[in-house]
Amino acid sequence: GAVVSQHPSWVICKSGTSVKIECRSLDFQATTMFWYRQFPKQSLMLMATSNEGSKATYEQGVEKDKFLINHASLTLSTLTVTSAHPEDSSFYICSARDRGPGLGELFFGEGSRLTVL
Amino acid sequence: KQEVTQIPAALSVPEGENLVLNCSFTDSAIYNLQWFRQDPGKGLTSLLLIQSSQREQTSGRLNASLDKSSGRSTLYIAASQPGDSATYLCAVTPDRGSTLGRLYFGRGTQLTVWP
Repeated sequence: GAVVSQHPSWVICKSGTSVKIECRSLDFQATTMFWYRQFPKQSLMLMATSNEGSKATYEQGVEKDKFLINHASLTLSTLTVTSAHPEDSSFYICSARDRGPGLGELFFGEGSRLTVL
Repeated sequence: KQEVTQIPAALSVPEGENLVLNCSFTDSAIYNLQWFRQDPGKGLTSLLLIQSSQREQTSGRLNASLDKSSGRSTLYIAASQPGDSATYLCAVTPDRGSTLGRLYFGRGTQLTVWP
């Protein structure tokens, strides 16, 4: 089946630093990738939709200047949490959809747990 | 805005029981519905995907049904095993506008199956 890889799987950083998380589709091309955030005991909430070669679309309440998304190729999207603070500590998960016809199934990465001290 | 609710929030059962997990959604205009499994601190594993035109899907001991008009889906787990212990998430893909492809998730049902 299709594989989506995220890196790093966990990261601990100091407050004020920036952290980059990568999301790769390993065996298919993805024109669209989605970034979700999950706080403890909460559901996954969509942060932004990443479109290859164009600007990301952010959900209401998500600061685009804080969560920088780059989708430079059909197999890679990156999420950079700039000037991270403890309240940004969360589980970040990406998903990708094959660019083939139809919507079909979304494939998810293993997630990246961010802890900001 | 689409809202997805899952009941119960948590479930603890002895091994061997047949289980029913419920999911409801407020907007019936969906493209498909997916059930996922999430182990602690891990990503999501897709279990079953039901297209809006379908009524159910089966995979091994899992069976998912969809009643689109009433906004409900049920995940049935037969003969539960300790290895089934995980959080089960229900998610819908809306069928309109620019949100095609994104998912709306429920909070999940945390399942514990004890030997």
